[in-house]
Amino acid sequence: QQKVQQSPESLTVSEGAMASLNCTFSDGTSNNFRWYRQHSAKGLEVLVSIFSDGEKEEGRFTAHLNRANLHVSLHIREPQPSDSAVYLCAVIGTNTGKLTFGDGTVLTVKP
Amino acid sequence: DPKIIQKPKYLVAVTGSEKILICEQYLGHNAMYWYRQSAKKPLEFMFSYSYQKLMDNQTASSRFQPQSSKKNHLDLQITALKPDDSATYFCASSQEGLNTGQLYFGEGSKLTVL
Repeated sequence: QQKVQQSPESLTVSEGAMASLNCTFSDGTSNNFRWYRQHSAKGLEVLVSIFSDGEKEEGRFTAHLNRANLHVSLHIREPQPSDSAVYLCAVIGTNTGKLTFGDGTVLTVKP
Repeated sequence: DPKIIQKPKYLVAVTGSEKILICEQYLGHNAMYWYRQSAKKPLEFMFSYSYQKLMDNQTASSRFQPQSSKKNHLDLQITALKPDDSATYFCASSQEGLNTGQLYFGEGSKLTVL
């Protein structure tokens, strides 16, 4: 069964400093990865999807995937206080087609 | 405007009672899902429906019953409620299967069982 783990549990950065979030997964055959953001009492907003090794940029959000290391990361350029939220990594299993989520990283951006 | 509407946003129930969580999507999607987010646990897949047919069920308890009266509706009936059922329940939809389609979420229904 796919296991998805995120680190750190929480992260505080200053406005404008790069924020980096990590995610490891257990199924090396996975080929579909997504990062979501969840503001308090709101639904999930998809930020970036990545399907092959390398990087994928969507605005200020860049995902890096290294399947050999079972690792996908999210980098947020010039974070704003409005980016403060829970960030969730999600992995789709190749055989199951199911989305498995990590526990999330709580990001706080200080002015 | 939200394209996936969940009602109610908050609800409180007593142990043993029954509640129905409503979900309607206006994205024209063929597949709909329910996920649960309990305290200190990851978001967890419950059910998937495609063209109003159950495709996958990862919920062990029969107390949870999805109901699809229309293509863009997928309600969740929960019977004999327990305090452990307290969670935020998210409805989601996608145009196609998840391997090719993007998954969109509603804002959730937060259930508290006393």
